[in-house]
Amino acid sequence: AQSVSQHNHHVILSEAASLELGCNYSYGGTVNLFWYVQYPGQHLQLLLKYFSGDPLVKGIKGFEAEFIKSKFSFNLRKPSVQWSDTAEYFCAVMPTQAGTALIFGKGTTLSVSS
Amino acid sequence: GAVVSQHPSRVICKSGTSVKIECRSLDFQATTMFWYRQFPKKSLMLMATSNEGSKATYEQGVEKDKFLINHASLTLSTLTVTSAHPEDSSFYICSATPNTGELFFGEGSRLTVL
Repeated sequence: AQSVSQHNHHVILSEAASLELGCNYSYGGTVNLFWYVQYPGQHLQLLLKYFSGDPLVKGIKGFEAEFIKSKFSFNLRKPSVQWSDTAEYFCAVMPTQAGTALIFGKGTTLSVSS
Repeated sequence: GAVVSQHPSRVICKSGTSVKIECRSLDFQATTMFWYRQFPKKSLMLMATSNEGSKATYEQGVEKDKFLINHASLTLSTLTVTSAHPEDSSFYICSATPNTGELFFGEGSRLTVL
């Protein structure tokens, strides 16, 4: 069965620091990859997604992620975080076969101090 | 993007009663919808896959007699929590795909069982 592993449970950064959140997945076939963000008290929002093509994808709010197929990784990055980036971040994987669900990692809590 | 709507967004009920949560795809047809449960500070756990016109497929450990899922049309799936108990209090989220490879999420329904 497929699984998603997020290495960092809680990350604490100061404003303007750089961010990298790790995500690895376990699945033998082709997958679509996603990063979602959940701000306190709000529902999930899509940050970015990778289906195919350029493995470096750019999302909203200055986030980007790089798909490294050989490492089964899809790490999220942002060069300079802001206080408003404080949120829960979820990596998710969906096998490309039709009718399959999104499988989430356990999430990483990002706390940014001003 | 596609819109998925859940209702109600918040519900409080007494222990032993049943609660129904609706999930609608507003601008697309969804043969498959997914129900997730999110515990505080936890990731989203896939509960079941709802298939239009057929029985839902439940994940291991999810009681199908407690969490009744009905997908009566291509735009509506319902989750009924039967004989609810305080431990069923949680945030329930549905999602659907217009078969573009991306899932769209509802706003979530927060259930509190007293």
